[in-house]
Amino acid sequence: QKEVEQNSGPLSVPEGAIASLNCTYSDRGSQSFFWYRQYSGKSPELIMSIYSNGDKEDGRFTAQLNKASQYVSLLIRDSQPSDSATYLCAVEASGGSYIPTFGRGTSLIVHP
Amino acid sequence: DGGITQSPKYLFRKEGQNVTLSCEQNLNHDAMYWYRQDPGQGLRLIYYSQIVNDFQKGDIAEGYSVSREKKESFPLTVTSAQKNPTAFYLCASSLTPGQVPYEQYFGPGTRLTVT
Repeated sequence: QKEVEQNSGPLSVPEGAIASLNCTYSDRGSQSFFWYRQYSGKSPELIMSIYSNGDKEDGRFTAQLNKASQYVSLLIRDSQPSDSATYLCAVEASGGSYIPTFGRGTSLIVHP
Repeated sequence: DGGITQSPKYLFRKEGQNVTLSCEQNLNHDAMYWYRQDPGQGLRLIYYSQIVNDFQKGDIAEGYSVSREKKESFPLTVTSAQKNPTAFYLCASSLTPGQVPYEQYFGPGTRLTVT
């Protein structure tokens, strides 16, 4: 069973700070990684996808991937109260199906 | 305006009744998926389909059935055999898995309550 692990939180940061969300995975052959944001009662919304080692930046969001350590993270700079949500990490399965496995999510609270 | 629609948003049923959840997409995506989410839980895959007239069981397919007669549509039936059907049901779609960019996009979800 392929596993994707996230700290459930909540992670509480002050407004304007950097929020760091982490995810580890067990499938060493995975090639594609995704971060979703889910507001309470709503469906997940894709924020970032990352496919190669290193950093990928999009506005205030930076995804970081380290395949050797089987670790992917999401940094949110200048955190805003509107960033308060649950962040889901998804990891594509290797071996042909490509169906992603989702972590349980990390709850982020940005307080003014 | 491309996207994924799910209906209804809220659904209430009595125990023992089958119920069908609708999912339609106009993104021209080949693959479609159904997930279930319970409070505090991650997404669990029920069924997926990568082409018309073909679908595969996910991790928790028991008590559910699907059809894929059209590329745009992937309805999910929750049968009376599903022991704990009350949950938030999410439909998603993507390009053919394995193609890059391979990203899933989600519909707004259907919240099913069975009493």
